[in-house]
Amino acid sequence: DAGITQSPRHKVTETGTPVTLRCHQTENHRYMYWYRQDPGHGLRLIHYSYGVKDTDKGEVSDGYSVSRSKTEDFLLTLESATSSQTSVYFCAISGQGVNTEAFFGQGTRLTVV
Amino acid sequence: DQQVKQNSPSLSVQEGRISILNCDYTNSMFDYFLWYKKYPAEGPTFLISISSIKDKNEDGRFTVFLNKSAKHLSLHIVPSQPGDSAVYFCAGYNTDKLIFGTGTRLQVFP
Repeated sequence: DAGITQSPRHKVTETGTPVTLRCHQTENHRYMYWYRQDPGHGLRLIHYSYGVKDTDKGEVSDGYSVSRSKTEDFLLTLESATSSQTSVYFCAISGQGVNTEAFFGQGTRLTVV
Repeated sequence: DQQVKQNSPSLSVQEGRISILNCDYTNSMFDYFLWYKKYPAEGPTFLISISSIKDKNEDGRFTVFLNKSAKHLSLHIVPSQPGDSAVYFCAGYNTDKLIFGTGTRLQVFP
């Protein structure tokens, strides 16, 4: 298994509070991705990173920001959590990015009440 | 706009028979496709991939077919086994963005 750790695994937070999810990898992979999984929508790309301090938006980036200050960590921040951001969040990593398989973490279940 | 579509949310197949999961994409910029399998409470795991320069790739019981002119790919599982029961996602690379479909839940019954 690829060395990917997501933390926390479960979180309940209140509407309007900021929340940060962490993805940590030990594979020294260049690319890192954040997805959310929702019924009927599958996996949707939020943001991704193609190197330290290099990030770009995905399909559903509104309300989310990311940071990557070192190769092994990719942080996803919900600036002001809303109930629509209740979801399961997955991090993925890929060595070369384009046209290679990506490896996924175990997911973080976030509930915004 | 959903760039990668899986129009069948679920599929039920008898053990030993063939499972065929379908996927359509809208953007001709996609040039590499992957299939993932996902069990509940786990992250997706990679199954098989195909480059746009090929029309078929086979790995054991799994075969992926690509029809570029129709912007369509399919995953064949033969023979289907109860352990194959899971949600299957197709995905494609649009430059360096890995975009997923909505998923198809496969149930293999005895």
